[in-house]
Amino acid sequence: KNEVEQSPQNLTAQEGEFITINCSYSVGISALHWLQQHPGGGIVSLFMLSSGKKKHGRLIATINIQEKHSSLHITASHPRDSAVYICAVSKGGGSNYKLTFGKGTLLTVNP
Amino acid sequence: DAGVIQSPRHEVTEMGQEVTLRCKPISGHNSLFWYRQTMMRGLELLIYFNNNVPIDDSGMPEDRFSAKMPNASFSTLKIQPSEPRDSAVYFCASSLEEGGIGYTFGSGTRLTVV
Repeated sequence: KNEVEQSPQNLTAQEGEFITINCSYSVGISALHWLQQHPGGGIVSLFMLSSGKKKHGRLIATINIQEKHSSLHITASHPRDSAVYICAVSKGGGSNYKLTFGKGTLLTVNP
Repeated sequence: DAGVIQSPRHEVTEMGQEVTLRCKPISGHNSLFWYRQTMMRGLELLIYFNNNVPIDDSGMPEDRFSAKMPNASFSTLKIQPSEPRDSAVYFCASSLEEGGIGYTFGSGTRLTVV
């Protein structure tokens, strides 16, 4: 079993819909990261969080340490949000430790 | 800041040749990571450095792979000899130890070994 599990693997939505991507992990962590990767493109770090909730524009990330679960929400989705969203955890101190990645969720937002 | 800079962006080489990938981290970041991404295995850590010292190289596939960080502003990942199964996208990332600053990834090097 992977240490980091994401669901769903694939998600198709209509523009404007509210989107939720889930991430569960099975190990003790120091931080959880949400990353975005456009097709053929680089990787952008969206959030790093160790507790509570963070918001950036239309993106919201939450984490429940007791349940070992995190969610990434996208409000008012747009076709430009189409990308692979990757959950990753770090087990060492702060961000200065290697990441263990989920398999990613491919999001397609249709106009 | 220009971000994490990787070169080359694309590399096509013949099996058996030596390949060198380069990375310039963000100035002031003290940790540097090399990751590999393939369709089959997703993203995997190869090696990471802290203050220019290799900390964990357990992800380096075999002796054909080597990485160096001679100073805080430069790192290389070398494959010698290269094999078709090394074809992947190689990402370099850097991070800052203090302040809870997350990762910054480079644009990646797409390596094709024919």
